[in-house]
Amino acid sequence: EVQLVQSGAEVKKPGESLRISCRGSGYRFTSYWITWVRQTPGKGLQWMGIVDPSDSYINYSPSFQGHVTISADKSISTAYLQWSSLKASDTGVYYCARLRRYLEGGPYYYMDVWGTGTTVTVSS
Amino acid sequence: QSVLTQPPSVSGAPGQRVTISCTGSSSNIGADYDVHWYQHLPGTAPKVLIYDNNNRPSGVPDRFSGSKSGTSASLAITGLQTEDEADYYCQSYDNSLSDWVFGGGTKLTVL
Repeated sequence: EVQLVQSGAEVKKPGESLRISCRGSGYRFTSYWITWVRQTPGKGLQWMGIVDPSDSYINYSPSFQGHVTISADKSISTAYLQWSSLKASDTGVYYCARLRRYLEGGPYYYMDVWGTGTTVTVSS
Repeated sequence: QSVLTQPPSVSGAPGQRVTISCTGSSSNIGADYDVHWYQHLPGTAPKVLIYDNNNRPSGVPDRFSGSKSGTSASLAITGLQTEDEADYYCQSYDNSLSDWVFGGGTKLTVL
C-alpha cells in the first residue's frame, strides 16, 4: 500500500526550531516529487513548496520562501519541513503529498497521495 | 482569503445531487490551468477525487464528476451517501502568483 507517514504533533514556543518528517512507503520514493501544504483556519490550504527526492531539487512558493526549509533524504525515503525560528503564525496542520504528473511540460501535477498531517502549535 | 472561491457549505438528502462551485480568475482557471478536487474528512488524509478537470483516479466512484468553463469549475456528486459528508477543496495553478492555489473548502452535509 502506498503511504506517506508523517511525524507526530508538536507544541513549541516562539523562536524554537522544528523539523517534521514525511516517510514514503509502498512505492519508489525517488520517482515522485513531494509537496508540503499548510492548513490554517484563516487562510485555508496553502502550497508551500516541492522537493524532488531523486536530486533534492527544491522549489518554494513565494509565500514561504525564506521562512521554511524543505529537504529530502532518499536513503530513508523521507522528506522534511523545517523552521529555524518558529512564530505563532506558523501554527497549523502541515500535510505532505505525493505529486503525480499527468501531462508533460508545465504545472501538470496533482496530489495523488497525502499524509494524515502534522499539527504544529506555536505558543508562548 | 483563498484565491479560488468556494461556497462554505452545501447540503443535500441521501440520493440527491449536489454541486460545488469553484470560481477563479484570468490568472488561474481562466488561463486554462486544470482544476483538481480533493475530499477531506478531518483527521484523515485528503483524497483526490478529480484531476485534470474531469478525470477520476481508479477507485473513485462515478458518482463524482468535474467540469470546467471559463473562470469556474464544478464538482458534482450524484446519489448522495452519508459517507460523502466531508470537506471538499478545488485546486489549480496561478501564473501571477507562481503558486498552486486552493479554494477555501466546502463542507458537505448529508441531511
